[in-house]
Amino acid sequence: DQQVKQNSPSLSVQEGRISILNCDYTNSMFDYFLWYKKYPAEGPTFLISISSIKDKNEDGRFTVFLNKSAKHLSLHIVPSQPGDSAVYFCAAVTFNAGNNRKLIWGLGTSLAVNP
Amino acid sequence: DADVTQTPRNRITKTGKRIMLECSQTKGHDRMYWYRQDPGLGLRLIYYSFDVKDINKGEISDGYSVSRQAQAKFSLSLESAIPNQTALYFCATSGALYNQPQHFGDGTRLSIL
Repeated sequence: DQQVKQNSPSLSVQEGRISILNCDYTNSMFDYFLWYKKYPAEGPTFLISISSIKDKNEDGRFTVFLNKSAKHLSLHIVPSQPGDSAVYFCAAVTFNAGNNRKLIWGLGTSLAVNP
Repeated sequence: DADVTQTPRNRITKTGKRIMLECSQTKGHDRMYWYRQDPGLGLRLIYYSFDVKDINKGEISDGYSVSRQAQAKFSLSLESAIPNQTALYFCATSGALYNQPQHFGDGTRLSIL
């Protein structure tokens, strides 16, 4: 059962507009969240993160919002650029059985930014 | 130069063969991970290592083994490959703090016929 859900497999946006990628989670014990971006034939690269003690974190064109009561986070890209076209993964940090932290990954959303 | 290097980048082999995927890193991280990615299933953790003497199974370790030869090297082996192990494999590294992101190699595309 997916504990981190990205319900939109794909998203298409015009260049210059806002891209909003959504992520829902089921475990209220998750306390740190990350977004990764992946281009074809490359590994995922870290984009931005947020701690559960915050509701917003911003880095340039990228902003992540966290709504703990709704168990929902979103990544906003403003303005969107064609180079942002990639697959975006949401991930949450949790403890495993040995009390070590590990990442739980969503399935990804493929973003296409059209010129 | 890449911080996390995986070799080979592509491999096609036959059922029953032994295969080793290698990962080396120059980031100085103690923690290393092996994942596989399948369409519709996202990234799944196979094995992880928090230092040279610490190896742990992930969620899908059956059919795989690993070796941490040094801080910088972590290899994944398929002792007797089977077709459902066809996937994209990623190695990653991270620092010890929970909020330090993982850094990934560019992947090995493995096809087992």
